[in-house]
Amino acid sequence: DAKTTQPTSMDCAEGRAANLPCNHSTISGNEYVYWYRQIHSQGPQYIIHGLKNNETNEMASLIITEDRKSSTLILPHATLRDTAVYYCIVISRRRDNYGQNFVFGPGTRLSVLP
Amino acid sequence: NAGVTQTPKFRVLKTGQSMTLLCAQDMNHEYMYWYRQDPGMGLRLIHYSVGEGTTAKGEVPDGYNVSRLKKQNFLLGLESAAPSQTSVYFCASRGTSGRQTQYFGPGTRLLVL
Repeated sequence: DAKTTQPTSMDCAEGRAANLPCNHSTISGNEYVYWYRQIHSQGPQYIIHGLKNNETNEMASLIITEDRKSSTLILPHATLRDTAVYYCIVISRRRDNYGQNFVFGPGTRLSVLP
Repeated sequence: NAGVTQTPKFRVLKTGQSMTLLCAQDMNHEYMYWYRQDPGMGLRLIHYSVGEGTTAKGEVPDGYNVSRLKKQNFLLGLESAAPSQTSVYFCASRGTSGRQTQYFGPGTRLLVL
C-alpha cells in the first residue's frame, strides 16, 4: 500500500473550516484513500473515504486531486469536540485484501481552539 | 447495535501472568482484527481473522495467540505477559463487501508490571 505523509499538528479556530492535507504520491489506481480520527484514548472512528471523486458526508468532505497524489479532509465548521488525531490511510480496493491491515502512521494532531 | 465491544476495559498484570482479551461484534462481520497502540504511535496489527475458525499473523504477532471459535467473537491471549506488552489494544471488524471500512472497539488498556 502507498505510504502517506501528513503534518504533525495543526490548529484551527472553533467555527472555522479545518483543512487537513495528506500526501500519497505513490498511490496506485486501485487504492482507496481513507480518513479516520482518534479522540483521546478512544478507538479510531471512521470519517470518510474516496477513490477518485470528491466525497461528502455528514461529518466531512474529502477532496482528492485529479492526479490522486494528495487529498484534503475538510471539517466545515470545526468544534472543540473535533480535537483529535486524524489519520490518512491508503489501502487496496482488491476484494481479496481482507488481510491487509490499515497502516496507521503518526497522523495529524488537530487542536480546535476556542 | 452495540457495534464492537471489548472486555475488559483495563487490566494490570504481573510479568509472567496470562490473560485473554475478548472482542465481540454484532454486525455479522466476517473479518476481525487485533491491533496494539503504544504511546504517541499509530496502530500495529497483531493478528487477524477472515472467518470463523481461521486466524493469521499480522505485523507484530510474537507473544500473542488468537482464536475465532464463533463468528462474533475474536479472542486475544497473552500466555506469559511481558512489560513490553503494556499497550492499548484495539479490536476491529469489517464486512465482506468491497468497502474496506473497519469499525473499532473502545480499546483495552493493559499494564504489565
